[in-house]
Amino acid sequence: NAGVTQTPKFQVLKTGQSMTLQCAQDMNHNSMYWYRQDPGMGLRLIYYSASEGTTDKGEVPNGYNVSRLNKREFSLRLESAAPSQTSVYFCASTVRFIWNEQFFGPGTRLTVL
Amino acid sequence: GQQLNQSPQSMFIQEGEDVSMNCTSSSIFNTWLWYKQDPGEGPVLLIALYKAGELTSNGRLTAQFGITRKDSFLNISASIPSDVGIYFCAGVDSGGSNYKLTFGKGTLLTVNP
Repeated sequence: NAGVTQTPKFQVLKTGQSMTLQCAQDMNHNSMYWYRQDPGMGLRLIYYSASEGTTDKGEVPNGYNVSRLNKREFSLRLESAAPSQTSVYFCASTVRFIWNEQFFGPGTRLTVL
Repeated sequence: GQQLNQSPQSMFIQEGEDVSMNCTSSSIFNTWLWYKQDPGEGPVLLIALYKAGELTSNGRLTAQFGITRKDSFLNISASIPSDVGIYFCAGVDSGGSNYKLTFGKGTLLTVNP
């Protein structure tokens, strides 16, 4: 039981390049989330998927797209990376409404030059 | 959007001391959560609070859900060096969507052995 896994762990991009951050969970959770964490800003919600087949915008969705590929996987895509997207990205999953069953992945550290 | 004010921003204490931190919100939450984040890791849930007035303990940690539903407190008793990290509060939106968390900006705790 691996919990929430994220790939890659580190990535450096040039401005304008695209990439997809991968997230998978093996806990049969319904809901999955993408957050970004910047120094002094806490975690901010980018997109979430309440259940398989649905996605919704969070607090800071501009410049990102997501795909809930199946119940296990939730990917985050940067179509044209910008330096302002330099951040640490966390994926999380939970059973709906059961917040003490929420788990975070280890994070992806992205630098955009 | 909703905002959480978490204080203090940082604390430097001696081993064995008790610690208190709190979060206040401009709006009502129906769930409060407290997390700890170690360097290079994702946040880990410490305590979840579901009812106004609820007081919950997890070892040396005690958290309370404020009566007004707009605040929450976390206390750590008899601190030890491994308590070092960033502590985040988070509230669950009570405005119809049960899927979104709003995070505070964190309290950085340093414990001097």
